[in-house]
Amino acid sequence: SQTIHQWPATLVQPVGSPLSLECTVEGTSNPNLYWYRQAAGRGLQLLFYSVGIGQISSEVPQNLSASRPQDRQFILSSKKLLLSDSGFYLCAWYSGRAGGNEQFFGPGTRLTVL
Amino acid sequence: AQSVAQPEDQVNVAEGNPLTVKCTYSVSGNPYLFWYVQYPNRGLQFLLKYITGDNLVKGSYGFEAEFNKSQTSFHLKKPSALVSDSALYFCAVRDSRSTGGFKTIFGAGTRLFVKA
Repeated sequence: SQTIHQWPATLVQPVGSPLSLECTVEGTSNPNLYWYRQAAGRGLQLLFYSVGIGQISSEVPQNLSASRPQDRQFILSSKKLLLSDSGFYLCAWYSGRAGGNEQFFGPGTRLTVL
Repeated sequence: AQSVAQPEDQVNVAEGNPLTVKCTYSVSGNPYLFWYVQYPNRGLQFLLKYITGDNLVKGSYGFEAEFNKSQTSFHLKKPSALVSDSALYFCAVRDSRSTGGFKTIFGAGTRLFVKA
């Protein structure tokens, strides 16, 4: 069966520090991968998605970036964190070549920028 | 452009009573519709989906949803609510014509509170 991991689970970082969040998927190959941010326990904002190794699409301009160095690894980064980067970051994967499948979400990373 | 509206920030219901969480959508093509549930500090869990066929879709934990094309709605329902159903519920839509990224648009979420 497929599983998705995110780490760390929680992170407290000072403003201006770098960030690296990691997401890995097991049990599937060539998935679509997604990074979402959820602010204040409400709606999800799609940040980045990737349809393959090295292929990144950005949805919202900001000081974050994403990379996909391996098929089942998706990394969210920042060189200098802002207070507004605080939130709950969710990674998700999607499998298939048709549009009718559901996404599967990781457990999330709670980021607090002080 | 795709969009999803969940008009209620919170729904309160007594345990044992039926519950409805509302969702309306807008897509250019035919919709693929989804409901997810989120418990505190957890990722989203898939509940059910409508792709095609029967307008009444049954999912996990006794939930069901009815697709209404004329009203562009996909309301989530359960005949008898449990306290353990208290959580944040998200409606989501994807255009059936989407390719490549298969991007999904999520609603703002509705918090369900079931009182014992």
